[in-house]
Amino acid sequence: DGGITQSPKYLFRKEGQNVTLSCEQNLNHDAMYWYRQDPGQGLRLIYYSQIVNDFQKGDIAEGYSVSREKKESFPLTVTSAQKNPTAFYLCASNEGGASGEQFFGPGTRLTVL
Amino acid sequence: AQSVSQHNHHVILSEAASLELGCNYSYGGTVNLFWYVQYPGQHLQLLLKYFSGDPLVKGIKGFEAEFIKSKFSFNLRKPSVQWSDTAEYFCAVIPFSGGYNKLIFGAGTRLAVHP
Repeated sequence: DGGITQSPKYLFRKEGQNVTLSCEQNLNHDAMYWYRQDPGQGLRLIYYSQIVNDFQKGDIAEGYSVSREKKESFPLTVTSAQKNPTAFYLCASNEGGASGEQFFGPGTRLTVL
Repeated sequence: AQSVSQHNHHVILSEAASLELGCNYSYGGTVNLFWYVQYPGQHLQLLLKYFSGDPLVKGIKGFEAEFIKSKFSFNLRKPSVQWSDTAEYFCAVIPFSGGYNKLIFGAGTRLAVHP
């Protein structure tokens, strides 16, 4: 089955620790995205990558970092510099151009204690 | 800055009631429009989309939406809701403004349908 996988589903970390969220897709999509979902705020774009080895900051990139070394993988690191990291994180992908439908993964709920 | 407004944050309906969820965006140029749905415990998935052509678009599960350019609106409708429509609904817009065309989401509307 083609799709996007995110792991883990739930993640708990202590304050001050960096944590990396995994996102893998087997849809052969060029573009991948990371969003943060908070209650009552919808989805906000953290980072996006339109092609391998290239990525750009979204609206709320501070305290986050990404890499795109392989087409199918786009891991997100939540660093200790992120002031309010507890949230639901969604990864998405599409064929590129950002004009069409994005396909979403199941999400990772990160709780920082 | 471009934005998307969803008028209702929470909606509670009984089964068989009609549904209309409002969505307005703030951009005067060309747009692509989407409604996404997030059922409890499931992935965010596309309900319907509008790129061009007939402004009344039909999606999955009996949903439809109407693009009214003069009102910058893309309201979602369903004539008769079911308990299984309980979910969170997100309106999203891609404004074509040159450079990277970003998908902008509204805050979402939580719909609860009671049997």
